[in-house]
Amino acid sequence: QKEVEQNSGPLSVPEGAIASLNCTYSDRVSQSFFWYRQYSGKSPELIMSIYSNGDKEDGRFTAQLNKASQYVSLLIRDSQPSDSATYLCAVPRRDYKLSFGAGTTVTVRA
Amino acid sequence: GAGVSQSPSNKVTEKGKDVELRCDPISGHTALYWYRQSLGQGLEFLIYFQGNSAPDKSGLPSDRFSAERTGGSVSTLTIQRTQQEDSAVYLCASSTWDSSNQPQHFGDGTRLSIL
Repeated sequence: QKEVEQNSGPLSVPEGAIASLNCTYSDRVSQSFFWYRQYSGKSPELIMSIYSNGDKEDGRFTAQLNKASQYVSLLIRDSQPSDSATYLCAVPRRDYKLSFGAGTTVTVRA
Repeated sequence: GAGVSQSPSNKVTEKGKDVELRCDPISGHTALYWYRQSLGQGLEFLIYFQGNSAPDKSGLPSDRFSAERTGGSVSTLTIQRTQQEDSAVYLCASSTWDSSNQPQHFGDGTRLSIL
């Protein structure tokens, strides 16, 4: 079982729709979870951190965490063409490294 | 405030040459990481520095790769006798001391091309 798994992409959504990205993790004791956005040819950029069960909203982004189900998701509301990128789920390991998912590529159609 | 700074942004060199890549982390960040990302691929962990502790070199792909971190701040990744398969983007990231719960912040990377 991979440490972090993301739903396979690519994900194509029309402009204005909600993009839903899913991530599961294997280590039950994980306490923090991060979403990074990576534009083509650029480095990963942190867009969301979540530490507690429930929802966390930041602008058009909402992260949802369910530790019992070992599941974290990212919703992008009112998707814009500028949201087209690869989104990486990351979970810290006990050895202080980050485990990254393979990423989900999102394309927002104008 | 300044983010993670990497230099050079691009490097083109001939096979067999040595290269040095530099990373200047965010001020106050004691944890520093090097990753490699080949075209269309995920992030490959290379090496991790935390404060004055011995670095975790478990991700270095061969003994041609080495890294050091001087004074707990700037880090240099050195690749000796470069090969074409070393062509990739090399990313540096840093985080605060409690890196088990804190996110890593990435620099813009160095795009390395081996001819």
